[in-house]
Amino acid sequence: DIQMTQSPSSLSASIGDRVTITCRASQIIASYLNWYQQKPGKAPKLLIFAASHLQSGVPSRFSGSGSGTDFTLTISRLQPEDFATYYCQQSYTISALTFGGGTKVEIK
Amino acid sequence: QVTLKESGPVLVKPRETLTLTCTVSGFSLNSRTGVSWIRQTPGKALEWLAHIFANDEKSYNTSLRSRLTISTDISGSQVVLTMTNVDPLDTATYYCARIETYASGGYYLYYFDNWGQGTLVTVSS
Repeated sequence: DIQMTQSPSSLSASIGDRVTITCRASQIIASYLNWYQQKPGKAPKLLIFAASHLQSGVPSRFSGSGSGTDFTLTISRLQPEDFATYYCQQSYTISALTFGGGTKVEIK
Repeated sequence: QVTLKESGPVLVKPRETLTLTCTVSGFSLNSRTGVSWIRQTPGKALEWLAHIFANDEKSYNTSLRSRLTISTDISGSQVVLTMTNVDPLDTATYYCARIETYASGGYYLYYFDNWGQGTLVTVSS
């Protein structure tokens, strides 16, 4: 299976900060990469699909980039509601979908 | 409005069979829209388990394939996952999610765009 490695595993940031989360795949996955946000006690929510496509209804301060093996999720100006855990997920192999380990964004 | 809701037992004994049901509304399964089961362990790791599309196209997590079965009822409004021979390591929150297809330039990407609220299943004697 394709392994997805996120970094950092956690970070502290302040309101208004620019935050960048990285996801690396163990093999080339083109743009077959999605990002999710999860808040405590809730299901994950889709933010970005196909590496850079913003899901409908998601604020434009979220953006995704990358292709091949290295991907980035950026929050341009961190808002109070953005404190959560973020996961990447690859769909290069439809029969073996895998997630990254998550990045927890906490308040500094 | 798209909704998914999981139901099933809260507690299961080791070696028993776990049966979970996902009741969906607001969409129908087709060749590009399906339903997946995903679980999240207490340590927070997310693990895809299986999915099903219309025409009975199915896929299973390779490491759990021998223990899993996914199916739909005849109306397509319920998706059932069974897991045999459960172990305490199967303790997790189980989610069902709609899996959608994005097609562009001859390639197809799959993502989970709507999720149920999840159901916590504990495996313990």
